[in-house]
Amino acid sequence: DTGVSQDPRHKITKRGQNVTFRCDPISEHNRLYWYRQTLGQGPEFLTYFQNEAQLEKSRLLSDRFSAERPKGSFSTLEIQRTEQGDSAMYLCASSLARGGGNSPLHFGNGTRLTVT
Amino acid sequence: GNSVTQMEGPVTLSEEAFLTINCTYTATGYPSLFWYVQYPGEGLQLLLKATKADDKGSNKGFEATYRKETTSFHLEKGSVQVSDSAVYFCALSSMGGAQKLVFGQGTRLTINP
Repeated sequence: DTGVSQDPRHKITKRGQNVTFRCDPISEHNRLYWYRQTLGQGPEFLTYFQNEAQLEKSRLLSDRFSAERPKGSFSTLEIQRTEQGDSAMYLCASSLARGGGNSPLHFGNGTRLTVT
Repeated sequence: GNSVTQMEGPVTLSEEAFLTINCTYTATGYPSLFWYVQYPGEGLQLLLKATKADDKGSNKGFEATYRKETTSFHLEKGSVQVSDSAVYFCALSSMGGAQKLVFGQGTRLTINP
């Protein structure tokens, strides 16, 4: 178990640029989640996948945001035309969903985005 | 909608002091309740959980009891250590389906030797 890995750890970009983050979940986990955390607040749910299917998206996820999980392994989160309000820590988590219940979420260390 | 409210921080205590961090929630149905901890420079980690009323979750000397009548899940520890310094998040997950967690705003805890 190498844990949930996120890349990059930090990203600084200019307003209007596109950015993409990557998340590698724990290998046997079939569920993958994206959360966003702003300073002094708790994480907020953005979206989640079961295998390769994106099953739910929050209203927080505007049209500029898109997430994919090809082949049900790693996931990418892309933000187009970044705005200063997008500055936050983007957290990825994974879990194993089975018929009898869900394992706890395992979180990565996050990608901190700063939009200047 | 579902929500979680935590006591305002930051909280500063001396080593071996008694700790309580209050957490109350609003939810439909019967959510599962969690405490997560974030140590400096690390990702969120599950500290403890409770899935039904009157359940007590415990781990590393921390405890929290699911109180449906007061919609609360307060975190307690009898004797804190410097190594407990971290940010603590209370969270809930609605019944069934994905573990779509709703978090409180977090409470920063600092323990002085």
